[in-house]
Amino acid sequence: DAGITQSPRHKVTETGTPVTLRCHQTENHRYMYWYRQDPGHGLRLIHYSYGVKDTDKGEVSDGYSVSRSKTEDFLLTLESATSSQTSVYFCAISDPGQTNTEAFFGQGTRLTVV
Amino acid sequence: DAKTTQPPSMDCAEGRAANLPCNHSTISGNEYVYWYRQIHSQGPQYIIHGLKNNETNEMASLIITEDRKSSTLILPHATLRDTAVYYCIVRVVQGAQKLVFGQGTRLTINP
Repeated sequence: DAGITQSPRHKVTETGTPVTLRCHQTENHRYMYWYRQDPGHGLRLIHYSYGVKDTDKGEVSDGYSVSRSKTEDFLLTLESATSSQTSVYFCAISDPGQTNTEAFFGQGTRLTVV
Repeated sequence: DAKTTQPPSMDCAEGRAANLPCNHSTISGNEYVYWYRQIHSQGPQYIIHGLKNNETNEMASLIITEDRKSSTLILPHATLRDTAVYYCIVRVVQGAQKLVFGQGTRLTINP
C-alpha cells in the first residue's frame, strides 16, 4: 500500500465547531487530493494541491479550506461544521509521471456532524 | 473529462471471468481509460489504464474498442475478494488526477 495516513479515522463533532482532517504521505508525490463520499454516490473532489502552498478548488469546495505547508501533509479544514458535511473523506496522492500516473487513496476518515 | 456509462450492477460466479463494460462515446484523443475499484468502504484502488491498445497486468485486462468509444475490464478468474464497486474513468494522463467518479458497477462474485 502507498504510504498514506489519514487522521483521525473517525470523528464525531458538533455543528458549528471547526474540524481539521490530516493526510500524511511518505511517497513524496507532488499532487494531493481531498474527496468526499456520501451514501450511494461516487467520490467527489473537494480540493487538491499541486505543490507546497499551491492548491485549487474541486467540484464541492464550498465550506472547506485546505493548506499544504509541507510536501507530505495536506490538511482539510471545515471552519464551521454542518450536518451536510457528514461524510467519509478520502485523501489521495499522485505524481505527474509519463506512465504511472494513477492515484493512491488513503483508508478514509468517517466524519459525523451532530 | 469525458462522461462514462456503466451498468449499475453485475453478478459473476466465482472462478469465472468477470467482464465489466464501460461506454465513453465522447472520449477525446488524448484521454485514457482508467479503472478503479472500491471494496466495501475502503479507499479506491487503481486497477489498470490504457489509451488504445489492450492492456494487461497482474490484476486485470483492459480491452478498448478500435473506435475507443467503449471498453471492457476483464477479471480473468474472479474470487469473492473481487466483490466491489468498479469505476471507469476517462481523463488525460498528464497533470493532476482530478478523477470524476460516476456511480460505477457493483460487482458481486457469488460462490
